Amino acid sequence: EAEVAQSPRYKITEKSQAVAFWCDPISGHATLYWYRQILGQGPELLVQFQDESVVDDSQLPKDRFSAERLKGVDSTLKIQPAELGDSAMYLCASSRGQGNEQFFGPGTRLTVL
Amino acid sequence: GQQLNQSPQSMFIQEGEDVSMNCTSSSIFNTWLWYKQDPGEGPVLLIALYKAGELTSNGRLTAQFGITRKDSFLNISASIPSDVGIYFCAGQGYTNTGNQFYFGTGTSLTVIP
Repeated sequence: EAEVAQSPRYKITEKSQAVAFWCDPISGHATLYWYRQILGQGPELLVQFQDESVVDDSQLPKDRFSAERLKGVDSTLKIQPAELGDSAMYLCASSRGQGNEQFFGPGTRLTVL
Repeated sequence: GQQLNQSPQSMFIQEGEDVSMNCTSSSIFNTWLWYKQDPGEGPVLLIALYKAGELTSNGRLTAQFGITRKDSFLNISASIPSDVGIYFCAGQGYTNTGNQFYFGTGTSLTVIP
């Protein structure tokens, strides 16, 4: 069964360091999403791609966060510098297109010390 | 942004009992999704709803897309211990940047054997 892949599963870093997360969506899925989920809350959208283009990054803290999907397939989310408040689960999801059901990866649990 | 109110926040039930939870929105949605999330994992899609009034089942799970398009319900019949987890609703609506999904705050379900 096709799945969304994410790595690493866990990341511990010190504040002011740079971190990067990787996501490989389900093959053929044009739309890719990055979400941040704080413990006890629902996922919140950070950025949405349609193929290689950013569709929505209105909630992405652009002073420290960046995301790219250069070839319209896999994607990288970067944080530089990391802050204590960035500790959360970072989830990647993909869908066939905008408005279609989204399938999530296992997530990356980030802890900033 | 659009707010989804999910209730109840938590439930403690005996194995074999039925469960009901719901999600309401201040805005009209075109799609409703229901997910289950286990600790440390990404959400897993349970049911997708696309039409107002639609009633869809997946095994012991049944979900409905409210007639007003502002709410959705999820029912679990004859609960079992593996139903334990957090259940999230997600609604899809149009924004000035296209389609976006908004997530509820989750319902934590505990099943007592």
